[in-house]
Amino acid sequence: KQEVTQIPAALSVPEGENLVLNCSFTDSAIYNLQWFRQDPGKGLTSLLLIQSSQREQTSGRLNASLDKSSGRSTLYIAASQPGDSATYLCAPEGSSNTGKLIFGQGTTLQVKP
Amino acid sequence: EPEVTQTPSHQVTQMGQEVILRCVPISNHLYFYWYRQILGQKVEFLVSFYNNEISEKSEIFDDQFSVERPDGSNFTLKIRSTKLEDSAMYFCASSESVASDTQYFGPGTRLTVL
Repeated sequence: KQEVTQIPAALSVPEGENLVLNCSFTDSAIYNLQWFRQDPGKGLTSLLLIQSSQREQTSGRLNASLDKSSGRSTLYIAASQPGDSATYLCAPEGSSNTGKLIFGQGTTLQVKP
Repeated sequence: EPEVTQTPSHQVTQMGQEVILRCVPISNHLYFYWYRQILGQKVEFLVSFYNNEISEKSEIFDDQFSVERPDGSNFTLKIRSTKLEDSAMYFCASSESVASDTQYFGPGTRLTVL
């Protein structure tokens, strides 16, 4: 059974810092891995999707890496801004090819002006 | 930009009542999902649906739950006899294809069972 862990659980930083959010998963047989952002009381916004054959994916100030064999992914946020404050969720998709995402608990980020 | 929509945004019901949560996925998407998030807990997978059939369901998705695509645009989740522990935020999601595509989530329906 896939278990997803995200570290740290919470992070508070001043504006402008570069950040690394960590995600680990127990079953390396995954199709892909998605990173989402969740604002309080809101839905999930997809940030990046990394296919299992890829090592990393970039979108603007965000860069996600995937090391499938070791069961790890990181989300790198460059030059953080107050608008980045949110909970970041990691969700690998299992090998059953049904689209089932297993979510971690998330990292809650606060970027202070 | 196309988006997944969900209605209602908040549903309050009495224990034992039936509820239907509605979703309109993105129009060219073929794969549909329901997830739920109990307050303060992880987002949990409930069910995936393709070609009018359930592709996979979780242990949570027991006989009290059902899904349906009643027409070409809506995707519904029905809970037959709600329990207190069904109180949660329910998210609908859709994707163009499975296993390689981004899932797009709706804003959620907050279900409160009294």
